[in-house]
Amino acid sequence: EIVMTQSPATLSVSPGERATLSCRASQHIGSNLVWYQQKPGQAPRLLIYGASTRATGIPARFSGSGSGTEFTLTISSLQSEDFAVYYCQQYNDWPPITFGQGTRLEIK
Amino acid sequence: QVLLVESGGGVVQPGRSLRLSCAVSGFTFSSYGMHWVRQGPGQGLEWVALIWYDGSVKYYAESVKGRFTISRDNSQNTVYLQMSSLRAEDTAVYYCARDQGGSFYFDDWGRGTLVTVSS
Repeated sequence: EIVMTQSPATLSVSPGERATLSCRASQHIGSNLVWYQQKPGQAPRLLIYGASTRATGIPARFSGSGSGTEFTLTISSLQSEDFAVYYCQQYNDWPPITFGQGTRLEIK
Repeated sequence: QVLLVESGGGVVQPGRSLRLSCAVSGFTFSSYGMHWVRQGPGQGLEWVALIWYDGSVKYYAESVKGRFTISRDNSQNTVYLQMSSLRAEDTAVYYCARDQGGSFYFDDWGRGTLVTVSS
């Protein structure tokens, strides 16, 4: 089973600033990684697939990068609606499909 | 507009059974694999099960294998999760999610249904 590890667990950033979230895979997964955003009481929403391709309707301030075992989600200029929990998920080697434990992005 | 609506959650005693349903609309259901993903209280996301577009292949997380069964009815645009021998650790919000074209990530999700296993 591939273990996904996200860091930090909590990130405090001011609106308008840049946020950088990390995700590490325990094995090489190529670019088979997605990022989701989840707000309280809501289902997750797909942000990025293929490590770097934005899903339909996702603003350009969200970008993904990385391959192999190290991945990054960057939000270039934080808006109030971006404060949420972010999860990475690998789909290279399954079952099982595995998620990171999440990074909570909070307002500083 | 893609819509997935889960139902069937509730409070159930340990060891009992429960069946969840997920009714979908807005896309050709019979062309997509479907998943169940759960989230325990204050916890992260855990993939539970996958069923192929035609129901021919099913996969399960080790934590539910032998206790949960995923199925689908393409004539009713519905996917099911039959849960038996429920344990306290199965307490979670259960989401159904559409597979993105055989890529094994999720491009649309329902709002979830809460299952609480408690005596």
